[in-house]
Amino acid sequence: DAGVIQSPRHEVTEMGQEVTLRCKPISGHDYLFWYRQTMMRGLELLIYFNNNVPIDDSGMPEDRFSAKMPNASFSTLKIQPSEPRDSAVYFCASSVDRGYEQYFGPGTRLTVT
Amino acid sequence: GDSVTQMEGPVTLSEEAFLTINCTYTATGYPSLFWYVQYPGEGLQLLLKATKADDKGSNKGFEATYRKETTSFHLEKGSVQVSDSAVYFCALGGRGGATNKLIFGTGTLLAVQP
Repeated sequence: DAGVIQSPRHEVTEMGQEVTLRCKPISGHDYLFWYRQTMMRGLELLIYFNNNVPIDDSGMPEDRFSAKMPNASFSTLKIQPSEPRDSAVYFCASSVDRGYEQYFGPGTRLTVT
Repeated sequence: GDSVTQMEGPVTLSEEAFLTINCTYTATGYPSLFWYVQYPGEGLQLLLKATKADDKGSNKGFEATYRKETTSFHLEKGSVQVSDSAVYFCALGGRGGATNKLIFGTGTLLAVQP
C-alpha cells in the first residue's frame, strides 16, 4: 500500500484566502485523524472520523476550520478565511480500528502570510 | 483523564552512547503503548509498540518494556547513531483503553553528534 497520502505538501497563501488540505487514508482503515503541529503547541488532534462520520471535533480551533469525509478514501480539511496563526504542519493519519496504531501521512506545511 | 509524560529535551549524545528516554503514563483500563519517531521534515512513524503489561516492543535496535507497576514505557537503545537524530513521541491508546484516540506526549528531541 502507498500509505497515507496528503496534498499539497506545501501551501503558501495570503491571509483571508481559503485553504483546502486533502488526505487519502490507507485502504481498509476505518479511522481518520487530522492533526496540527506547531513549535508552540506541539501535536494537536483537530478531529477524527470513524467510517466517514465525524466523531470528535473538539480540537477544531474555531469555526473557520471544517473537515469532511465524503467517502472512505478521501477527506478534506478547510480553513476559511485563513490567518497567519494557522501556519503549521497539518498531518492526516489513519488506523484500522479503535485505538490501534496510527499511520501518518507526510504532512502539509501551510504558511499564511 | 489519560495522559503521557515524557522527559524534556533536547537530549544530546555522542555516537555509540546509550540512550534512555523516559515515558510515564496515567490511564484507565489497559491501553497499548507506542513510540513514534519523527525525522526532520517528515511525518510520525511507528517505531514500536506493546499491547499488554510486561510486553517488550523492539525495532531498529530500540526497545521499550510495558511496566504496569511503574506505569512506564521507557525507550532505550544500546548504541545510537547520527541517523537516530529525530523527535521521539510516546503515546497510549488501544482497545483496552478508555479512548478511541492516541494520547501523545510532547516529544523529546534527540541529537546525536559524530
